[in-house]
Amino acid sequence: DAMVIQNPRYQVTQFGKPVTLSCSQTLNHNVMYWYQQKSSQAPKLLFHYYDKDFNNEADTPDNFQSRRPNTSFCFLDIRSPGLGDAAMYLCATRVFPVGTDTQYFGPGTRLTVL
Amino acid sequence: RKEVEQDPGPFNVPEGATVAFNCTYSNSASQSFFWYRQDCRKEPKLLMSVYSSGNEDGRFTAQLNRASQYISLLIRDSKLSDSATYLCVVGSSASKIIFGSGTRLSIRP
Repeated sequence: DAMVIQNPRYQVTQFGKPVTLSCSQTLNHNVMYWYQQKSSQAPKLLFHYYDKDFNNEADTPDNFQSRRPNTSFCFLDIRSPGLGDAAMYLCATRVFPVGTDTQYFGPGTRLTVL
Repeated sequence: RKEVEQDPGPFNVPEGATVAFNCTYSNSASQSFFWYRQDCRKEPKLLMSVYSSGNEDGRFTAQLNRASQYISLLIRDSKLSDSATYLCVVGSSASKIIFGSGTRLSIRP
């Protein structure tokens, strides 16, 4: 059974048209992460929620926003996608500071910007 | 300086060879260390956690040296199915998790 679910798996949007990617989890983990991964590169942390606390990375563009309305769901909003935002977006969850301390990843959403 | 740095690779080795990957991290307060494996166009999958005492899982051995801020992964008797990108991952502070750039491994018959 899928534990971290990302929807949609593939998203096509137009340049400048806002898009929202969603992530849900059945694990009841308190931390949720969003990563951006471009071809042949490692996942780059955009931001994460530790419980309700939002932690933004310093180099994450303002174009990227996130919402976590409850423990199970987290959204990534791209306000005005550019061609450079085409990538795989990975959601991950984790229990911190206790538990196995490992991250569980969703299958990712591949974003295409036309 | 990047928070987590890895051997750039790629590594191309014959089946049955032993291969080692290295990784260094900059934050001495880091608490958690992992090796992940990522296949092409798939999400990363946990290979193993890394502990100070070192740990082994079949053909895979991971080591952590806190004094040198260094992590390693050794793969013995490599198989064709080991071909993938190996990612060094560090819990750098509190809840933050950072990936290294990854090392690409290709096993040839």
